[in-house]
Amino acid sequence: DTEVTQTPKHLVMGMTNKKSLKCEQHMGHRAMYWYKQKAKKPPELMFVYSYEKLSINESVPSRFSPECPNSSLLNLHLHALQPEDSALYLCASSPALLNTGELFFGEGSRLTVL
Amino acid sequence: TQLLEQSPQFLSIQEGENLTVYCNSSSVFSSLQWYRQEPGEGPVLLVTVVTGGEVKKLKRLTFQFGDARKDSSLHITAAQPGDTGLYLCAGDGTGGFKTIFGAGTRLFVKA
Repeated sequence: DTEVTQTPKHLVMGMTNKKSLKCEQHMGHRAMYWYKQKAKKPPELMFVYSYEKLSINESVPSRFSPECPNSSLLNLHLHALQPEDSALYLCASSPALLNTGELFFGEGSRLTVL
Repeated sequence: TQLLEQSPQFLSIQEGENLTVYCNSSSVFSSLQWYRQEPGEGPVLLVTVVTGGEVKKLKRLTFQFGDARKDSSLHITAAQPGDTGLYLCAGDGTGGFKTIFGAGTRLFVKA
């Protein structure tokens, strides 16, 4: 069982909706990540939080808004998405401040934008 | 720009066969990871290799890190249908906080 929990597992939303993806980890990790994965492609980095502060934004459109309320939680707020934003959204965490490449992923949230 | 190239991109084999997946780069990595991802799930970390020439075994899976730390291989002995999935190699990107992923090898093991 993964120790990174993502909810919801599936989400269908219209282009005018506002929704949120949630991620929780209790491993004491201090870095948390959002990745986007399209079919048959590797994960693409979106955001990195370190010690609850945004460290990296990979030029992600503002219709995606991350939030890290505390060291265990990571949210991704979604607003006015496009159909091409449909993908598997993966949350991950890592123990080290500097990335060693070892990431612990959640099971993902499958997003469909109509 | 650091890149990880995986080959083959797709592999379909019969149960019981052996296979090797390759992960190559022109850049040196301080470590490389291998992940397996099943459909609709997140990637699961299988192993980290750190030392050049290092060999690690995980049951029927053998992982090797090249002497120059630019490449790695994953060898599966007597593949089983449960080995089916997307195998991703990954490495630590420069500047911290960034993991570089290869494009993945999609393995299908037929019973």
